[in-house]
Amino acid sequence: KQEVTQIPAALSVPEGENLVLNCSFTDSAIYNLQWFRQDPGKGLTSLLLIQSSQREQTSGRLNASLDKSSGRSTLYIAASQPGDSATYLCAVKNYGGSQGNLIFGKGTKLSVKP
Amino acid sequence: EPEVTQTPSHQVTQMGQEVILRCVPISNHLYFYWYRQILGQKVEFLVSFYNNEISEKSEIFDDQFSVERPDGSNFTLKIRSTKLEDSAMYFCASSQTGVALTYNEQFFGPGTRLTVL
Repeated sequence: KQEVTQIPAALSVPEGENLVLNCSFTDSAIYNLQWFRQDPGKGLTSLLLIQSSQREQTSGRLNASLDKSSGRSTLYIAASQPGDSATYLCAVKNYGGSQGNLIFGKGTKLSVKP
Repeated sequence: EPEVTQTPSHQVTQMGQEVILRCVPISNHLYFYWYRQILGQKVEFLVSFYNNEISEKSEIFDDQFSVERPDGSNFTLKIRSTKLEDSAMYFCASSQTGVALTYNEQFFGPGTRLTVL
C-alpha cells in the first residue's frame, strides 16, 4: 500500500532564505506527483505536477524534482517571502485503479518570518 | 481563470440528518472527485466519477455516501445519515483527463466544512 511521508512537519525560516521541502513515497510505480499549497481553512492550490517520465518542473520561484527509483521528491522555494507561509502537500497517483486517486502526505507547515 | 466552486462553505447538521454537498467542476473537465480531510489529518480520497458513473471508490465511501451529476454542471455528494465522525472538510476536484494519461492535474475547490453535532 502506497504511503506518502513529508519531512519536516513544520519549518520556520527568515524571509529571503532558500528552502527545500521533502516528500517520500514507498511504491515507485506512480503516474505522477503533484505539489499543492493549502492555506489555513482553505482549499488546495495546485503548484506543480511532475509526470513519471520527468525529473523536474519549474514555476517561478518553485522547482520540484522527482526521483522515482528512490521514491523521493523535493520542492525547492527560492527567496522565500512571508506570503509563502502555508502548508505544502505532496500527492502521488499510482498505477492501477481506474481513474487513479491521489494519495497525500500530511504536509509541511511553512512559516516565513519577515 | 476557471476554478472549481463548492457550496456551502460551511454546513452544520445534526447527527442522523442527510446532507448534500455541491460542487461545480471546471466546465471542460470530464473527471470528478471527492476527497475529505478530517482536522489535523491527511487528505483522503473518497470517490471518482466519470461518464455518469463511479469509477473508483475508497473503503470510506460506504452505503451512506452517494454521488450524482444531476445536470451538466453540478456534482453532488450526499451523506444519508450523518455521524459525528463525518465531520471534516470535503473537497471536490476535477481533471480534464483520466489516469490513462500521466498528465492528469487535479484542481480542487475551496472545500465545504461539515460539522455534525
